[in-house]
Amino acid sequence: GQQVMQIPQYQHVQEGEDFTTYCNSSTTLSNIQWYKQRPGGHPVFLIQLVKSGEVKKQKRLTFQFGEAKKNSSLHITATQTTDVGTYFCAGLGDNTDKLIFGTGTRLQVFP
Amino acid sequence: DTAVSQTPKYLVTQMGNDKSIKCEQNLGHDTMYWYKQDSKKFLKIMFSYNNKELIINETVPNRFSPKSPDKAHLNLHINSLELGDSAVYFCASRLASPYNEQFFGPGTRLTVL
Repeated sequence: GQQVMQIPQYQHVQEGEDFTTYCNSSTTLSNIQWYKQRPGGHPVFLIQLVKSGEVKKQKRLTFQFGEAKKNSSLHITATQTTDVGTYFCAGLGDNTDKLIFGTGTRLQVFP
Repeated sequence: DTAVSQTPKYLVTQMGNDKSIKCEQNLGHDTMYWYKQDSKKFLKIMFSYNNKELIINETVPNRFSPKSPDKAHLNLHINSLELGDSAVYFCASRLASPYNEQFFGPGTRLTVL
């Protein structure tokens, strides 16, 4: 079945350092969504990318969708302690309305 | 003005018991989901309903039975609870198109002893 893997599984950074998580799908995706889950919280939608090669920015966050629509990345510039949480990518396969969530990357930021 | 609510927030029970989790959304969404998040934080879809009709049913033991009395509610009943059922269960909803974002409830932490 379709699988969506994320690396790294965990990342510890010092506040102010950059952070990147990578998302790779075993099949082509129609879209990619990114969610953030704070410790003890629930996933919250961040953004969606649909077009091949698309890049979107939200303040310090930069999201990319690969040209082949099989991978994506989330880059955070100058992390802050408020960035702590688990970041999930999620994508729709072709001919399906089931959103497959990635394995998640847990980010810890030390002050 | 909670968008997606779940009850209870915590559920501790003995193996073999039957329990239910309730979910309600006041967003007017058509589609609702149940997800299971295990201790490693993996988020797995279990079921999806669209306007009270089951549209996604993953490989879930038949001890789990979802029920949607109307499009604003999706409940999950679990029979004969097992240790491996311990997890956080999230309800989510979205508007019609699968390209729309999903709104998650606060989660129900189920612990089976």
